[in-house]
Amino acid sequence: DQQVKQNSPSLSVQEGRISILNCDYTNSMFDYFLWYKKYPAEGPTFLISISSIKDKNEDGRFTVFLNKSAKHLSLHIVPSQPGDSAVYFCATKPRGSARQLTFGSGTQLTVLP
Amino acid sequence: DVKVTQSSRYLVKRTGEKVFLECVQDMDHENMFWYRQDPGLGLRLIYFSYDVKMKEKGDIPEGYSVSREKKERFSLILESASTNQTSMYLCASRDRTGVRNTIYFGEGSWLTVV
Repeated sequence: DQQVKQNSPSLSVQEGRISILNCDYTNSMFDYFLWYKKYPAEGPTFLISISSIKDKNEDGRFTVFLNKSAKHLSLHIVPSQPGDSAVYFCATKPRGSARQLTFGSGTQLTVLP
Repeated sequence: DVKVTQSSRYLVKRTGEKVFLECVQDMDHENMFWYRQDPGLGLRLIYFSYDVKMKEKGDIPEGYSVSREKKERFSLILESASTNQTSMYLCASRDRTGVRNTIYFGEGSWLTVV
């Protein structure tokens, strides 16, 4: 039973436009959310995170939005660049737990020049 | 700078062989993890370790074991490799007091079992 779902396995966007990657979760006990980016043949790298006490966090071209009532998380990349082409994983952690992160299945983003 | 090093990037092993995947981190982190990545399945946790000599099963521990004799080193062991263990294996570490729960990954080990 997947607690974290990324329903779009792939997304193609034109350079300069907005990329929107989505993630849904089922457990209301999740209180911290992260996005990781992964290039082929490399390990994932941390991109941006958000705590459940917020609904938005911004870092340069990257913004993460959290809708707790819908249990939905999204990552916006504006403007998209060809170097953003990678697999993006969302990850979550339950409140009060030191346990490991639970990852979604990933979305392959391709930014077309 | 944070560094998680996986000793083998690419391995090819035969069915039934014993396989060791080694991981070392230089950040004095308490927590270490082994994940595997498969297309369409994302990152799935195999085992993790809170501290030296401590280990806990993750979501898919069957067919694997781990060893953490020193804080900086976390080894994944496939006692008898099978073809369904062909995958990319990712080691990660995290400071227990960690900055915003961020975990740091190694570059991955591609294992092919034939």
